[in-house]
Amino acid sequence: EPEVTQTPSHQVTQMGQEVILRCVPISNHLYFYWYRQILGQKVEFLVSFYNNEISEKSEIFDDQFSVERPDGSNFTLKIRSTKLEDSAMYFCASNIGRGQPQHFGDGTRLSIL
Amino acid sequence: AQKVTQAQTEISVVEKEDVTLDCVYETRDTTYYLFWYKQPPSGELVFLIRRNSFDEQNEISGRYSWNFQKSTSSFNFTITASQVVDSAVYFCALTAYGQNFVFGPGTRLSVLP
Repeated sequence: EPEVTQTPSHQVTQMGQEVILRCVPISNHLYFYWYRQILGQKVEFLVSFYNNEISEKSEIFDDQFSVERPDGSNFTLKIRSTKLEDSAMYFCASNIGRGQPQHFGDGTRLSIL
Repeated sequence: AQKVTQAQTEISVVEKEDVTLDCVYETRDTTYYLFWYKQPPSGELVFLIRRNSFDEQNEISGRYSWNFQKSTSSFNFTITASQVVDSAVYFCALTAYGQNFVFGPGTRLSVLP
């Protein structure tokens, strides 16, 4: 069964450094998403992406964040200058259309020191 | 605005007991979709079920069953004869057409041997 893959599984970064989280969505899916889950808390929506542009973003997704689909398969989340509070699990998801189940990757655990 | 409430923060049961996880949602849209996801201790998010707002038929899949009631805006999840492997955090989620997923805060289920 096709799946969403995320790399790396764990990223440790010094505060103030830039970090790029990578995702390969399911190949025939059209919508892509990033979510954040701070340890022990709920899953929070960050951004959705369709047709090579951001379709929606949350208040969390400020100017420090950006997303990109640099080629036909990868979908990246960049955090420009990381802060301690960016430490969380970041999930990538994709689906074939609105209202359809989103399929999640296994997540990248980001630890900011 | 959309909202999902899972009033039960944590539930503990003994193996073979039945357990029901509650989910109450709010939306002004007439077309919407409800989901349940499972997050085992390993951290990934596993899709369990999707229902649309026009289909109130209850569903059973093995030991899992779901009770969707529009009159009370609830979409409850029952595990029959629980097993230790059912121990996880369970998230209920809602999306209306054209909008993004809103996750509930999750219910941590512990099934004790």
